Order: sequence, then C-alpha cells, then structure tokens
Amino acid sequence: EAGVTQFPSHSVIEKGQTVTLRCDPISGHDNLYWYRRVMGKEIKFLLHFVKESKQDESGMPNNRFLAERTGGTYSTLKVQPAELEDSGVYFCASSQEAGDTYNEQFFGPGTRLTVL
Amino acid sequence: SQQGEEDPQALSIQEGENATMNCSYKTSINNLQWYRQNSGRGLVHLILIRSNEREKHSGRLRVTLDTSKKSSSLLITASRAADTASYFCATTDSWGKLQFGAGTQVVVTP
Repeated sequence: EAGVTQFPSHSVIEKGQTVTLRCDPISGHDNLYWYRRVMGKEIKFLLHFVKESKQDESGMPNNRFLAERTGGTYSTLKVQPAELEDSGVYFCASSQEAGDTYNEQFFGPGTRLTVL
Repeated sequence: SQQGEEDPQALSIQEGENATMNCSYKTSINNLQWYRQNSGRGLVHLILIRSNEREKHSGRLRVTLDTSKKSSSLLITASRAADTASYFCATTDSWGKLQFGAGTQVVVTP
C-alpha cells in the first residue's frame, strides 16, 4: 500500500511568487493534516481536514496560505505571495481515525520550501 | 505555545552508547508519542505511551512517562549510526492535532 506522498520534494522560489504544494494521503484516510517546520524550530500544526471539510485551521499563519481538499482526496496548500519566513519543510499526514484515544498519523516525506 | 519541549537540543554519542532525551509538556494528556525524522525524510512514528502507562518498550527504544511531572523520556540503547536523526515528542488534542516540541538532534558517530 502506498504511503502519504507529497509533491514537489523541494521548491525554490523568489519572494512574491506563488507555490502550490500537494499531498496525497493514504487511500481511505479521512483525516489529513498539514504541519510545518521552520528552520531549527518545532513542528507546528497548520490545519486539519476531515474529508473535504476544514476541521481546524487555527494554525494557518495568515491569509497568504490557502488549503483545499477537493473531493476529500488529495490536498493542496498554496502560498501566495510567498515571503522569506515561509521557508521550511511542509509535512502532510493522514490518519484513519481522529481522536485522542488512539491516533497514528502517517507522514509524507515533506516538501522543502526555500523562498529567496 | 508549544506543548512539548525536549532537552537536550542536541546530543552527540558514539555507536554502542545509549542516548536519552527528555520531553516536558504543559496540559493533561491521554497519550504521548515519539517521532523520528531522518534528514530529508518524513516523520516516522516510533512509539505511543498512554497516560495510564509508566514505561513502554519497543526494540531498542524505552519510553517512560511521569504524568505527575508532565514529562517523558526516550532512551535508545546500543545506538547505531542509522539512529542519527531528530527526535520529537508530541501530544494530541481530541481531534488528533499533534503538538510537537522543538526536538532533539541526535548524532551517532561510528
């Protein structure tokens, strides 16, 4: 079974440009999460989809970030316009079950975004 | 604010030695998890310990949890060069949102 995949693996763009990251979760996983690790800092939650609905987007830093999950399958995260502080590694994860009693999230390899 | 905070921030050891890292958290939890990130790769789930457990083992990994002190430790025994990675503890909220600490960078030299 394929794991979580992310595309691209690495993106280098200039400040002010637009970048779209894609995440394909494990088939059948309703829950999809986006996280970000800015250089040397902790991994921070961005948002959580349950199927196509945004369950929690409290971690989205500002309105330059837009996430979608059309049809409840893959998800995209668009940054427009990109700023220097957006550089980091963006992780996607999916899980079959949400909830605190048991939750194993399967992570993708991440997209390393570099904004020059 | 971050939920988990790890120490040390960095750890350098030789193969065969043990590596211990600690994590503290702030709120009540139902479980705590440890993840590993190898350079250039995604996060890998290592182990989950529930709040009613005090210790858990998985291969060369040993995790302890002290809910009275709101802390956890991860011990890697007989380390190998392949254990070189960043290690993160994480707690979850009721919807599964993971809250990570800053991580401990472990370097194991041959």
